[in-house]
Amino acid sequence: AQSVTQLDSQVPVFEEAPVELRCNYSSSVSVYLFWYVQYPNQGLQLLLKYLSGSTLVESINGFEAEFNKSQTSFHLRKPSVHISDTAEYFCAVSDGNQGGKLIFGQGTELSVKP
Amino acid sequence: NAGVMQNPRHLVRRRGQEARLRCSPMKGHSHVYWYRQLPEEGLKFMVYLQKENIIDESGMPKERFSAEFPKEGPSILRIQQVVRGDSAAYFCASSPSAQIYEQYFGPGTRLTVT
Repeated sequence: AQSVTQLDSQVPVFEEAPVELRCNYSSSVSVYLFWYVQYPNQGLQLLLKYLSGSTLVESINGFEAEFNKSQTSFHLRKPSVHISDTAEYFCAVSDGNQGGKLIFGQGTELSVKP
Repeated sequence: NAGVMQNPRHLVRRRGQEARLRCSPMKGHSHVYWYRQLPEEGLKFMVYLQKENIIDESGMPKERFSAEFPKEGPSILRIQQVVRGDSAAYFCASSPSAQIYEQYFGPGTRLTVT
């Protein structure tokens, strides 16, 4: 069965510092990868996705993630974080053969300090 | 275009009572997914439905839980005889088709069992 591992449960950083949130998934023939962000007491918002094509995908607010098939990873990065980026981030995978259900990692709590 | 709507946002039930959670997908979306988020954990898939059909219920507990998505009206997740372990946030997501892997999430229903 497909699984997702987020290696860090909490990541504290200072404002304007770079950040990387790590995500690894179990191998599959083909996968579709997602990062979702959850602000306190809210639902999940899609941050970015990899379906096919370029392995580097970007969001509108400066985040990017790179699909690395050989390392089965999809790490999320931002070169300079803001206080408003404080939230929980979830990596998810769908293998497309199970009707599109998402398998989520445990989440990484990003805390940006001034 | 209204997003995915869930109600109630908060629900308190005593042990043994029934809980009914409602989800109205985005306009034009006929695929609904339910996920559960236990405290300090990521989201776990429960069930995937299309109009009038359950497609995948591999994540549903075998007893007390049921889901439906009628031809008219919202999708309903029903939990009978709730227990304290059912306390969690329940999220609904919708998608226009199984080939569109992007899912749009509602704000969730936070169930507390006392």
